[in-house]
Amino acid sequence: SAVISQKPSRDICQRGTSLTIQCQVDSQVTMMFWYRQQPGQSLTLIATANQGSEATYESGFVIDKFPISRPNLTFSTLTVSNMSPEDSSIYLCSVDLTDTPSGEQYFGPGTRLTVT
Amino acid sequence: EDKVVQSPLSLVVHEGDTVTLNCSYEVTNFRSLLWYKQEKKAPTFLFMLTSSGIEKKSGRLSSILDKKELSSILNITATQTGDSAIYLCAAGQGGKLIFGQGTELSVKP
Repeated sequence: SAVISQKPSRDICQRGTSLTIQCQVDSQVTMMFWYRQQPGQSLTLIATANQGSEATYESGFVIDKFPISRPNLTFSTLTVSNMSPEDSSIYLCSVDLTDTPSGEQYFGPGTRLTVT
Repeated sequence: EDKVVQSPLSLVVHEGDTVTLNCSYEVTNFRSLLWYKQEKKAPTFLFMLTSSGIEKKSGRLSSILDKKELSSILNITATQTGDSAIYLCAAGQGGKLIFGQGTELSVKP
């Protein structure tokens, strides 16, 4: 497995502001992903963070709202922009440790975001 | 539309009981079925299944995939209070995972 860290672990933000979440892995990985878990719900994939190119977003998620950076093979950021209370969720990054995506993903500790 | 459905949604048992959690899927380009345990925020990986009928075991936990029935089960024997958690299954489409709603398991002493 890998050691995955996220910062911040939690935050309380005011509506209209933006928050950037960082995800750091202790080894180089090809595939990194960002998920959202709304209260009482399961995990939903936001996007796949691609190193050296734009992220690939899932239906219902757009770059203007959730810009993602992936400057190298160990780091990624997710920004939640122009926040509203509906963005209150746990945000999780995950990695697939294989070179070709196997589906076996390991998750970071998550960022609990509350928007007031 | 791709979907993963888990049952039951919640379950309360006593220590020592055996439980079976169910997961069914209807997913295009299905590659794998994964089980995770979520206690606080981060899901922790339990199993990944790709072949039908081959049981995977880890201690008191075991899981098997039935590709004909598009389903999987997770068994936990001799449950302990530390098994209390939400158990998530996910269908893998190569890189992408589609998660079910989860089963919330509560083990009472």
